[in-house]
Amino acid sequence: QQQVKQSPQSLIVQKGGISIINCAYENTAFDYFPWYQQFPGKGPALLIAIRPDVSEKKEGRFTISFNKSAKQFSLHIMDSQPGDSATYFCAARARGSARQLTFGSGTQLTVLP
Amino acid sequence: DTGVSQDPRHKITKRGQNVTFRCDPISEHNRLYWYRQTLGQGPEFLTYFQNEAQLEKSRLLSDRFSAERPKGSFSTLEIQRTEQGDSAMYLCASSSGEAGVGANEQFFGPGTRLTVL
Repeated sequence: QQQVKQSPQSLIVQKGGISIINCAYENTAFDYFPWYQQFPGKGPALLIAIRPDVSEKKEGRFTISFNKSAKQFSLHIMDSQPGDSATYFCAARARGSARQLTFGSGTQLTVLP
Repeated sequence: DTGVSQDPRHKITKRGQNVTFRCDPISEHNRLYWYRQTLGQGPEFLTYFQNEAQLEKSRLLSDRFSAERPKGSFSTLEIQRTEQGDSAMYLCASSSGEAGVGANEQFFGPGTRLTVL
C-alpha cells in the first residue's frame, strides 16, 4: 500500500517559472515531511522539511505548503532554473517509529532554458 | 569528505552469487538506515540501526538479506544467492538521533548500484 502519493510523475517548466509538486498521505501518525532532490547517479539530498504544526516553510526559492486537514503538502520552486532539473521526492516519517522515511514515487522536473 | 560513503558504487554479479556492500555514515551519527531504490521509484526502507543494534527490519528484507553494524560505525549489507529482482540501487543514510534541529534529517550516500545478470 502506497502511503505517500506524489504527482505529477513528470513536469516541464520554463526557466523563471514556478514548479509545483504535490503529495498526499493517509497515515495520520506522520509528523515530519521532508523533500529530497536527486540527480542521476547520486543519492537523495535533503532540500527542505516541515512539521505539521506549521502551514508553510520557505527556504530561498523553495517553499513547502502543508494542509493538515486535507493530508496534503506541496513543494513550490520559485524562479525555476535549469540547474533545478532533477527528480524530487516527498517523504514522511511516523512518530514513534524506527524513524524510517516513506517516500513518494518521485517527480522528474525539467526546467527548459 | 564528511558525508556518507558507500562502497562499491557499482556491482555486477551473476544470479546465485553473494554480494556485500559497505556504508560509512557521518562519523557522529548513531542512526543508520538502508534503503533500496528501483528505477523510477522512491527509496524503500530495508532496515535501521541505532548504534550497533538492528532495531527494525522491513518485510522487504528477505532471509537472503543480512545487515550488520558491528561496532556502531560502518555497516554492511549482504545479499546471498542473488536474484535478478535484487537489481536496484542500495542506499545508506545516517542521522544524528540527537534532540533539536536537524535530529530528523537523514543524509544519504551515493548508493551502490547492483546489477544481477
